[in-house]
This record gives sequence, structure tokens and C-alpha cells, in this order.
Amino acid sequence: RKEVEQDPGPFNVPEGATVAFNCTYSNSASQSFFWYRQDCRKEPKLLMSVYSSGNEDGRFTAQLNRASQYISLLIRDSKLSDSATYLCVVRVNQGGKLIFGQGTELSVKP
Amino acid sequence: DARVTQTPRHKVTEMGQEVTMRCQPILGHNTVFWYRQTMMQGLELLAYFRNRAPLDDSGMPKDRFSAEMPDATLATLKIQPSEPRDSAVYFCASGRVGQPQHFGDGTRLSIL
Repeated sequence: RKEVEQDPGPFNVPEGATVAFNCTYSNSASQSFFWYRQDCRKEPKLLMSVYSSGNEDGRFTAQLNRASQYISLLIRDSKLSDSATYLCVVRVNQGGKLIFGQGTELSVKP
Repeated sequence: DARVTQTPRHKVTEMGQEVTMRCQPILGHNTVFWYRQTMMQGLELLAYFRNRAPLDDSGMPKDRFSAEMPDATLATLKIQPSEPRDSAVYFCASGRVGQPQHFGDGTRLSIL
């Protein structure tokens, strides 16, 4: 079983749609959680950190459920520019290695 | 904006040749990571350093791969001898403890 699991997609949605990605992690000692975005043939870029209380950044909302070891990302009013692969990322200790999920591909169509 | 710089951006070479990839971390970042990305395996950590000391290289094939930090501004990843299965994108990332990591543009390596 992979340490971080995501639905690979692809998710094909129209502009303006709301889309949700889910992720589960296996190590209950994990301390830090992130969503990264990766465009085709580019480097991963931090989208947002995920906090236990849930957090929002514009159209993006991230949730963490430590009991279920589950992380989610909600994108509202999706834009064409949101098309990318979204990577769920977990870190066990501060300053330690990141463990990446396989990524969920999102394609937003006009 | 400060960036992690990786060279070369692309490398094509024949199997058996030595490959050296270089990374300049962001100034002030004391942790440097090497990742490899393939379609099959996704992003995997190969090795990482803190304050230039290797902390974890368990993800790296030891017989052919080596990673070093000769100084705080340079990290290197070498493959010798290279094999076709080493073809991948190699990313370097840097960060500080407790802070998110920042990735370089990657080196796209093709071993023929």
C-alpha cells in the first residue's frame, strides 16, 4: 500500500464547476500536510498547507481529518488555469522528507 | 523571487556514461532534497541533506548513485554508470526546518 494515496483521475470539469480531491495517508505520525500543484513538464509548486482546523485561500479550501487520516482539497468556480496535477503531500517530521501521492489530474474545459 | 537552480535542464547520453546533476539551493536554506519523478513511480525521494550532512539516502541505489554537498551553495547527484532505467526528471528542492520546500525546474535525463 502506498503511503499517500490519491485518485489519479483525470477529472474533466467545465469552467465554474466545483471539484473535490481526496487523499489518504498511512502514517499516523505524520505532522505536516500540503497540496502541491504541478503543471505539465514543470516543477511541483506549493499550493497550500493544510491545517487541522481547515483553511481557505481564495477559491481553494483544504481540510484535514487526523482521525481518518484523510485530506481534501476543494476548488470552487474552477478556471481553465486550474488545469494541472494536484499532489497530496505528507511530512512525518519537521524538516523531513516529503512523501508525495501519485497526483490527481484536473482538466478544466471551456 | 529566490529560486532553486538546477543544471543541466536536459541531458541525453548513452548508457554507461557518467551523469552529474547540480543544484544551487536558495540562499539561507539549510536542507536540500533530491527527488526523481517517473510516470510509473511518481515523485520519490532519493536523498536529503541538512547543513550539508547527509540525513537519508535510503531511496537511492547505492551502487551507482551518489549525492554530495561540497559547500552550502552546491549539491550534486551523480550516476555512474548510467542505465536506461535511470531516465526520469530529477528535481532538487531546498527549504528550512518547518517551512515548505521549494523545487528547482528539474533535470530531464534520457539514457539511451
